Amino acid sequence: EVQLVQSGGGLVQPGGSLRLSCGASGFTLSDYWMSWVRQAPGKGLEWVANIKQDGSDKYYVDSVKGRFTISRDNAKNSLYLQMNSLRAEDAAVYYCARGAGDYDYWGQGTLVTVSS
Amino acid sequence: DIQMTQSPSSLSASVGDRVTITCQASQDITNYLNWYQQKPGKAPKLLIYDASNLKTGVPSRFSGSGYGTDFTFTISSLQPEDIATYYCQQYDNLPPYTFGQGTKLEIK
Repeated sequence: EVQLVQSGGGLVQPGGSLRLSCGASGFTLSDYWMSWVRQAPGKGLEWVANIKQDGSDKYYVDSVKGRFTISRDNAKNSLYLQMNSLRAEDAAVYYCARGAGDYDYWGQGTLVTVSS
Repeated sequence: DIQMTQSPSSLSASVGDRVTITCQASQDITNYLNWYQQKPGKAPKLLIYDASNLKTGVPSRFSGSGYGTDFTFTISSLQPEDIATYYCQQYDNLPPYTFGQGTKLEIK
């Protein structure tokens, strides 16, 4: 059974950092692009970033470029999102998802709260 | 970036009704269009990919159509369990792979 299990969310002050993790099981992570999608409270879905199977290509939405870094460790079956210089507008539920642009499996979501 | 305009933003319908949601892309995306269902507190679920392909296991009352810039999502006979918010998403060429604003579907 394909599963994506997320961890690492929480409360952080503006300007702070947080690292999200997404553990994959039930499939070979190295066969798939992986992505992060977020959803601010009461709002719609926003695509954040994705990463190629071997990590050689990465793309970001403009609002997080230079602050967020997507990475992966295929040997550890894990996807990551390092978030630096966090702003109030980054507060959201963050989802990891399998795929480059069409997402057939999603993590359970992890809440990131940015507040002083 | 490609903008996705989804309508309506909310919709109230009765059980058994035919429900239609539209999504318009700001430029030609051929058929690189997905439809997702999201229930409160849950992750989105892929229903339709490549504009018209039903994901395995998804009930056949769900369907999608369209090509280029104009797309349609249809529920042929609304069921109580279909109450959710629905999103279109384009994934043409390079990111960002933008979502529509969502359509909140309620039972009348």
